[in-house]
Amino acid sequence: DAGVTQSPTHLIKTRGQQVTLRCSPKSGHDTVSWYQQALGQGPQFIFQYYEEEERQRGNFPDRFSGHQFPNYSSELNVNALLLGDSALYLCASSLYRLAGRNEQFFGPGTRLTVL
Amino acid sequence: QQQVKQSPQSLIVQKGGIPIINCAYENTAFDYFPWYQQFPGKGPALLIAIRPDVSEKKEGRFTISFNKSAKQFSLHIMDSQPGDSATYFCAAGRAGSYQLTFGKGTKLSVIP
Repeated sequence: DAGVTQSPTHLIKTRGQQVTLRCSPKSGHDTVSWYQQALGQGPQFIFQYYEEEERQRGNFPDRFSGHQFPNYSSELNVNALLLGDSALYLCASSLYRLAGRNEQFFGPGTRLTVL
Repeated sequence: QQQVKQSPQSLIVQKGGIPIINCAYENTAFDYFPWYQQFPGKGPALLIAIRPDVSEKKEGRFTISFNKSAKQFSLHIMDSQPGDSATYFCAAGRAGSYQLTFGKGTKLSVIP
């Protein structure tokens, strides 16, 4: 049973550039959430996708956008990168019909460094 | 402001000891409280979770205690082992929402 996978593992970009991160949810899951984890901090919720639509959004600027595909995989796009965007980006998957249980399973993350 | 405050920031215990990590929340709408374990270079892994209708939940060596009136919950790790050395995060969520609000984490070191 494949867990949540993310690519790439590491990424280095310069300020002002754009980046795309990818996530495949756990087998059988249909909902994907993205989190940003700065060094030494807990993860912070960016947004959640279900049925190819953004359903919930945290307190992040619209430089952060996403997409979900028919196979439930997802992308996170960040435009106009800032030094402060350097972080571990985590994807979490869950099953929508179990929303009341809130159980989310995290991938290993993509480490983004902005120079 | 939705916040979850976690303490201590770091903790060192000897093998066999019982580390206790505490969290406090402000938003009374929270009704789901999971704990995650994270090893370096890995994503957080769900350990155990509790809802406010119970005061305690045990799974293996991990126990959550929940005090609804004080808006506090804690994680106890029984018979701790060096392999338990990791960063532990508490979190809080609301029914029907996928947004989890995390604490800042506790780095646990279990020494042999």
